[in-house]
Amino acid sequence: GAGVSQSPSNKVTEKGKDVELRCDPISGHTALYWYRQSLGQGLEFLIYFQGNSAPDKSGLPSDRFSAERTGGSVSTLTIQRTQQEDSAVYLCASRLGPDSSYEQYFGPGTRLTVT
Amino acid sequence: DQQVKQNSPSLSVQEGRISILNCDYTNSMFDYFLWYKKYPAEGPTFLISISSIKDKNEDGRFTVFLNKSAKHLSLHIVPSQPGDSAVYFCAASVRSGGGADGLTFGKGTHLIIQP
Repeated sequence: GAGVSQSPSNKVTEKGKDVELRCDPISGHTALYWYRQSLGQGLEFLIYFQGNSAPDKSGLPSDRFSAERTGGSVSTLTIQRTQQEDSAVYLCASRLGPDSSYEQYFGPGTRLTVT
Repeated sequence: DQQVKQNSPSLSVQEGRISILNCDYTNSMFDYFLWYKKYPAEGPTFLISISSIKDKNEDGRFTVFLNKSAKHLSLHIVPSQPGDSAVYFCAASVRSGGGADGLTFGKGTHLIIQP
């Protein structure tokens, strides 16, 4: 079946604008994760969803970042009043469920550039 | 404080030889470890994993070794092939509530296979 998809693939925005990044997980996967990878860094965990609820938001770097998930499927990561340090590749991953194997399956990412 | 460390940013290996990628961790609560492979402009792809109850897991040309006392794991690829050229990320997870936590990643090692 189809893998994890993300849109847009690239986004250039001006500092101070809001952006929305979208993730479509693998069908049937109830667990969904957002990560970001800044230049030269590893992947940094942002937030985890189980179904529509987010039991772990510990990785969100500031209150400008928020995420939601509706219908247990599509998730949107919103960054308000973007700053240059928000420039990174934002990756989404999904997993079958909390009792399944630990492997997470990643989408291709959205490259965000804040000018 | 980096909990998962990959101290070699890059590694060059001749085709046909063994590639050994290393990873160290500091959090003794980690009990599941994964290796991901990433090509440019793509999301990470799951490669192989190991639970802390084992010290070795093998899948074809890929073997992961875990030394819990040293908090060290390594990925061996033999024989190395040109298509193995990619960035390899080590990741770790803590089992809690079914292992729902986000993965903690190292910064990656860029493996280059020389013909």
